[in-house]
Amino acid sequence: GAVVSQHPSRVICKSGTSVKIECRSLDFQATTMFWYRQFPKQSLMLMATSNEGSKATYEQGVEKDKFLINHASLTLSTLTVTSAHPEDSSFYICSARDFRGGVKETQYFGPGTRLLVL
Amino acid sequence: QQQVKQSPQSLIVQKGGISIINCAYENTAFDYFPWYQQFPGKGPALLIAIRPDVSEKKEGRFTISFNKSAKQFSLHIMDSQPGDSATYFCAASRDNFNKFYFGSGTKLNVKP
Repeated sequence: GAVVSQHPSRVICKSGTSVKIECRSLDFQATTMFWYRQFPKQSLMLMATSNEGSKATYEQGVEKDKFLINHASLTLSTLTVTSAHPEDSSFYICSARDFRGGVKETQYFGPGTRLLVL
Repeated sequence: QQQVKQSPQSLIVQKGGISIINCAYENTAFDYFPWYQQFPGKGPALLIAIRPDVSEKKEGRFTISFNKSAKQFSLHIMDSQPGDSATYFCAASRDNFNKFYFGSGTKLNVKP
């Protein structure tokens, strides 16, 4: 099946710094990727929809200037948490949409990135 | 407004028993209903999914029951095993390529 990777798997940073998280589709082209945020013992909340070559669409309440999303190629989307603060500490998960016919899944999820802001 | 409501929040089942998790939705435009399994520190993995044109789908020990008129769907795990202990999320999507709305999750603990 299709594989989506994320890098890094976990990151610890100081408050005020910026952190970049990469999401890659390894064996298929993903014109659309989604970024989710998950707090401990809670559900996945969609942050934004990332379309290759265009601006991301953010969900209501998500600060686009704080969570910068770039989808520069068909296999890579990045999420940059700018000026991170402790309240940004969370589990960030991406998913990639697979439009190929005959596939079982339509969205493949990455393994997630644990961000801890000190 | 929560698009998909999931219950129970947690569930304890004895090995060999049946685990049942329920979800309800409001938006009749939803036409794709997947169930995901998530282990701690990992991303969700698709278990099984259903579309509104069928009332039941079975894959191995996992079965989805779908009630379109009631706008409800449920996951049944037959012969539950300790390895099934995880958090389960239901989700719903419009035209299956659109964004997913996730339920709040159910933490399943299967006791040996």
